[in-house]
Amino acid sequence: QLQLQESGPGLVKPSETLSLTCTVSGGSISSSSYYWGWIRQPPGKGLEWIGSIYYSGSTYYNPSLKSRVTISVDTSKNQFSLKLSSVTAADTAVYYCARHFVPEYIVGATGGWFDPWGQGTLVTVSS
Amino acid sequence: NFMLTQPHSVSESPGKTVTISCTRSSGSIASNYVQWYQQRPGSAPTTVIYEDNQRPSGVPDRFSGSIDSSSNSASLTISGLKTEDEADYYCQSYDSSNLVFGGGTKLTVL
Repeated sequence: QLQLQESGPGLVKPSETLSLTCTVSGGSISSSSYYWGWIRQPPGKGLEWIGSIYYSGSTYYNPSLKSRVTISVDTSKNQFSLKLSSVTAADTAVYYCARHFVPEYIVGATGGWFDPWGQGTLVTVSS
Repeated sequence: NFMLTQPHSVSESPGKTVTISCTRSSGSIASNYVQWYQQRPGSAPTTVIYEDNQRPSGVPDRFSGSIDSSSNSASLTISGLKTEDEADYYCQSYDSSNLVFGGGTKLTVL
């Protein structure tokens, strides 16, 4: 079955750029039915959508993070990646990647739902 | 932008029925589908309801979803509660510019 696995540094210094990669196995990232998304969860808090990407490279971002976020895709490696710049302690969170199903009746990728999710990776922002 | 507001916590006994609400702050709850996720401690979320009231395969029919336009809210109802249902539950919806999660509800099965 489809599995997703996040990877990247667990510690990032303030003002630097957080970089994570999600590797998809058991299925192709080039499937026409799906976007691929990033969601984060600060310790003890709720979920926040960061953004999603289609295999063609089309992206949609949370407006509150858009100025600092870049999501990219590498279909040859079946991976997609997240970069979040100018991080602060408020960016400390478990970062999840997930398959993002967007039905045809939705324009863009702000709708739909996420399934399955990766196990998540904790990124701490600290000097 | 809109927000989805959930109760911080609910509790109920095994075998009983519990309902978790999710109220949309602006825009009609009926205009954009609502999803519900279950997150057990230390695990990633899983989908229990999509498109207001649809269950993914493998999710028991004890889980059901609904919307109420009069209160502009969605609800997740779990009947025949089991101790394994103890988890955090999140609603999620969207508009043309953003995808939003509710703050989450901690369900305790006493």
